[in-house]
Amino acid sequence: DQQVKQNSPSLSVQEGRISILNCDYTNSMFDYFLWYKKYPAEGPTFLISISSIKDKNEDGRFTVFLNKSAKHLSLHIVPSQPGDSAVYFCAASALGSGNQFYFGTGTSLTVIP
Amino acid sequence: DADVTQTPRNRITKTGKRIMLECSQTKGHDRMYWYRQDPGLGLRLIYYSFDVKDINKGEISDGYSVSRQAQAKFSLSLESAIPNQTALYFCATSEGQGPRNQPQHFGDGTRLSIL
Repeated sequence: DQQVKQNSPSLSVQEGRISILNCDYTNSMFDYFLWYKKYPAEGPTFLISISSIKDKNEDGRFTVFLNKSAKHLSLHIVPSQPGDSAVYFCAASALGSGNQFYFGTGTSLTVIP
Repeated sequence: DADVTQTPRNRITKTGKRIMLECSQTKGHDRMYWYRQDPGLGLRLIYYSFDVKDINKGEISDGYSVSRQAQAKFSLSLESAIPNQTALYFCATSEGQGPRNQPQHFGDGTRLSIL
């Protein structure tokens, strides 16, 4: 059973506009969430995180929102740039799980110049 | 130089062969992980290690074994490879200190094809 789901395999956005990537989870014990970005032929790189004590975390153009009641998180990229074109994975873990993360299936973002 | 190095980057082999994928890191992290990525399934955890003497099975450990030779080295073995082990394999590391879980840092992957 997939505990972390990214239901949109792909997303296309015009340069300068907002990109919104979504992620849903089923395990209510998850309390720490990450977003990773992956370019072809490279490993995922850590982008931004949020813990369950917050509902928002910002880092420059990237903001992650967490809605615990809906078991939903989203990544907003504003403004989107062509270099943001990549596959984005969300991941979740539970405290005491030994740093085990469960990953979503990824969303491929294309930012059109 | 990459902080997390995987070798080889690509490997094609035949069913029944023994395969070893190697991972080394210069980040000084205690924790190391092996994942596989399949199309449409995201990354799934195979094994993880908190230190040289601590090895744990992940979500999909059947058909795999690991060895933590040193703090900086963690290898993944397929004793008798089968075609459904064809996948992209990633090694990752993370810090082991602190009360909270920590982001993981990934190598660039090994693409393994089993014919």
